[in-house]
Amino acid sequence: AQKVTQAQTEISVVEKEDVTLDCVYETRDTTYYLFWYKQPPSGELVFLIRRNSFDEQNEISGRYSWNFQKSTSSFNFTITASQVVDSAVYFCALVILTGGGNKLTFGTGTQLKVEL
Amino acid sequence: DAEITQSPRHKITETGRQVTLACHQTWNHNNMFWYRQDLGHGLRLIHYSYGVQDTNKGEVSDGYSVSRSNTEDLPLTLESAASSQTSVYFCASKPGTGLSEAFFGQGTRLTVV
Repeated sequence: AQKVTQAQTEISVVEKEDVTLDCVYETRDTTYYLFWYKQPPSGELVFLIRRNSFDEQNEISGRYSWNFQKSTSSFNFTITASQVVDSAVYFCALVILTGGGNKLTFGTGTQLKVEL
Repeated sequence: DAEITQSPRHKITETGRQVTLACHQTWNHNNMFWYRQDLGHGLRLIHYSYGVQDTNKGEVSDGYSVSRSNTEDLPLTLESAASSQTSVYFCASKPGTGLSEAFFGQGTRLTVV
């Protein structure tokens, strides 16, 4: 069975600080997909990034960057120079295709609070 | 534009009543999912469907049922609402490839009193 662990329940930072959200996953499959979603206070779920298990290249998108390390089964998310608008709950999710599956298994989320 | 919509957005119901939450998507995705979101638990899978007439139980399926009579809709029914089912419910649809992201509805806040 697959599992996603987001050990950080809540993180508070001051604006302009860098912050890293941790995500550790468990699966026996060699082919899998990892996702990050953002849930702002308005409640909708916003897709941020996807990564497949064969692509360990790190990705940067503006102030956001993702570090995928298969050796430690981690897919961490870093926000550089955080802003108040980054305040949200962030979810990491895993998809495996074994048995014809295509469903997302989510972590419990990390609440990020960015204060002035 | 294609979209996924949930209705109602908010509902208050009494314990023991049957409740149905609607989910409708216009992407023509085969895969549809229902999750519930609770503090400390994140998003947990209730039921899912990979196509018409296909339904499967997720990790928290007790007390819930779904049916899939067409591609666009996956209604979620609470057979006899309980206070433990007070939650925010999200419907999602996803294309057939693992790498594709899921698209989520706006959520339904259900309160069982």
